[in-house]
Formats: sequence, C-alpha cells, structure tokens
Amino acid sequence: GQNIDQPTEMTATEGAIVQINCTYQTSGFNGLFWYQQHAGEAPTFLSYNVLDGLEEKGRFSSFLSRSKGYSYLLLKELQMKDSASYLCAVRGFSNAGKSTFGDGTTLTVKP
Amino acid sequence: DGGITQSPKYLFRKEGQNVTLSCEQNLNHDAMYWYRQDPGQGLRLIYYSQIVNDFQKGDIAEGYSVSREKKESFPLTVTSAQKNPTAFYLCASSPEARSGPHEQYFGPGTRLTVT
Repeated sequence: GQNIDQPTEMTATEGAIVQINCTYQTSGFNGLFWYQQHAGEAPTFLSYNVLDGLEEKGRFSSFLSRSKGYSYLLLKELQMKDSASYLCAVRGFSNAGKSTFGDGTTLTVKP
Repeated sequence: DGGITQSPKYLFRKEGQNVTLSCEQNLNHDAMYWYRQDPGQGLRLIYYSQIVNDFQKGDIAEGYSVSREKKESFPLTVTSAQKNPTAFYLCASSPEARSGPHEQYFGPGTRLTVT
C-alpha cells in the first residue's frame, strides 16, 4: 500500500519563498506528482519527478529523494493567487497509472 | 477545445435514490478515473478504467458503480447503498495507463448533496 504525509496548513508572505514537504511510503514507486487545487475547483498538474533531483518550472520547483521517500515543492516569488491547496500524489509501479493522493497542504499567502 | 466535462456542477438528491454523474473527455485518453473529495481531505479513488469495457475498483468502491462502453465516457452511479454520498466528485483522464510520466487531467467536478 501507500501512505503519504503533508503538512495540513502553511502561511507565507507575498514575494517570499515557501517549501511544501511530502513524505511517502510505498511498496513500489513509479513517479511523484504535484497538483494545485484552488477552493472548489479541480486540481491542475504542476510537476512530476521520477528520478532523484530537482525539476524546475518557472516559479515552481520540485525535488525528489527516492531513498528517503521525500519530495518538496518550492514556490518562489509568491503571489496572492498561489493561495491554494497543494496535493502530492504517488504512483505505484504495478497498478497501471493509479495514483494515491495525500490530503493536501493549504497554503495561504498574505500581503 | 479539448478537455473533460462533468455535469451537472451541482446535484441534489433525496436519500435512497440512485444518481448518475456524467464524465466525458475528447482528449482521446485511454485511462479514466473517478475520485471523491471530502472537505479538507485529498482525493480518494473510487473506480478506474484503463480501456473500453474494462474497469477496476479503487480504494472506496462500495456503493458505487461505473461503465465504460465508449472511450470518451465514464459515468459514475452513486447508489442508495453508499452510506455517505454527499461529497465533491472529480473525474480525470490520462493518456496511457501503464507507461510514461502522464499526469491526470481533471474535470470541473460535481458537488453532490444528498438529504
């Protein structure tokens, strides 16, 4: 099975940098995804990691360490519109694209 | 415009009634998924389908049923056997079920309220 842990809530200031952590335990690993979800809306894809290291995409970066079962999402130059829930999802190796989602981290960006 | 549509956005039903939620995609994706989201929680997988005429139970399939008669369509029926059906239901699709870094594309969701 799979178990995913993320902090429930975080608060940061506009213009700052915030790091959202995700730890996971899985019997097989075939990739980790980060999604952004604004209140009442559908999740949208942010990033994907399958190998160790950092993936950068504009203001968003995601890091993975498979040996530690650990990932983080780094958001730079925070904007008010970044206030949302951030979901970490892990895909298993043998279950055909099925992903298990964490409960999400609600980020509030303050002026 | 390619994408996933779910209808309706809001749905109200009386307890004891079955209700079917629609999900259609024109992305030509093989795999489709149904999730349930409760307040302050992540997504829990109800059912998924890798190919037409085939589907598997997810983590919380009890009280739900699905069909996949066409590639584009994956309707979910919430039956009267589902003990706590009020939730936000999300449908998703991805290009291939087995290989590659394929993220899931989500529909706008249906908020179901059963009283």
